[in-house]
Amino acid sequence: DTAVSQTPKYLVTQMGNDKSIKCEQNLGHDTMYWYKQDSKKFLKIMFSYNNKELIINETVPNRFSPKSPDKAHLNLHINSLELGDSAVYFCASSQLLAGGGGGELFFGEGSRLTVL
Amino acid sequence: DQQVKQNSPSLSVQEGRISILNCDYTNSMFDYFLWYKKYPAEGPTFLISISSIKDKNEDGRFTVFLNKSAKHLSLHIVPSQPGDSAVYFCAASGTDYKLSFGAGTTVTVRA
Repeated sequence: DTAVSQTPKYLVTQMGNDKSIKCEQNLGHDTMYWYKQDSKKFLKIMFSYNNKELIINETVPNRFSPKSPDKAHLNLHINSLELGDSAVYFCASSQLLAGGGGGELFFGEGSRLTVL
Repeated sequence: DQQVKQNSPSLSVQEGRISILNCDYTNSMFDYFLWYKKYPAEGPTFLISISSIKDKNEDGRFTVFLNKSAKHLSLHIVPSQPGDSAVYFCAASGTDYKLSFGAGTTVTVRA
């Protein structure tokens, strides 16, 4: 039973389209995240939710909108997709806020988005 | 501006020998450091961590060393095994609770 699951794993779409990636965790964690791994392989935080409340919102274009319907789910919706949005998007969760004991992140398998 | 740097993109080591992965950071406010391991087509998995109040943490074959004055940490894997072949990410966080990751080091363990 997968702890952090994301769907879809692969997504190929045209520029200008709107798409969503869903994430669910069954670990009972309070905090969930979206990370983006770019072409240089850096993992960069995009958003973090704690108990359904947005607590971290990095300098991400407002075309990206996270939604957390409950503690176990954090979805990512992307409007008007651009070529530069092509990347692997990782969802993660942690019991406590990242950093410090208990803040270790558990990652999903990633969703590879390709914008043509 | 990358605050966590892994300057060696790859490392090849013979099975049974020691693997040493290095990581440097620039933010003096970082107080917690982690190593993650990633296999292809999978998400990173937590490996080992260390708080800034320590200079060494050991877990089985994995040991992390922290040198705060040099803003440097390293991960030692001994003995290296074929299953250790993966990408290893160094990460750090401070009071803002944001984990900053390095670009990763690909380790290949040769039989």
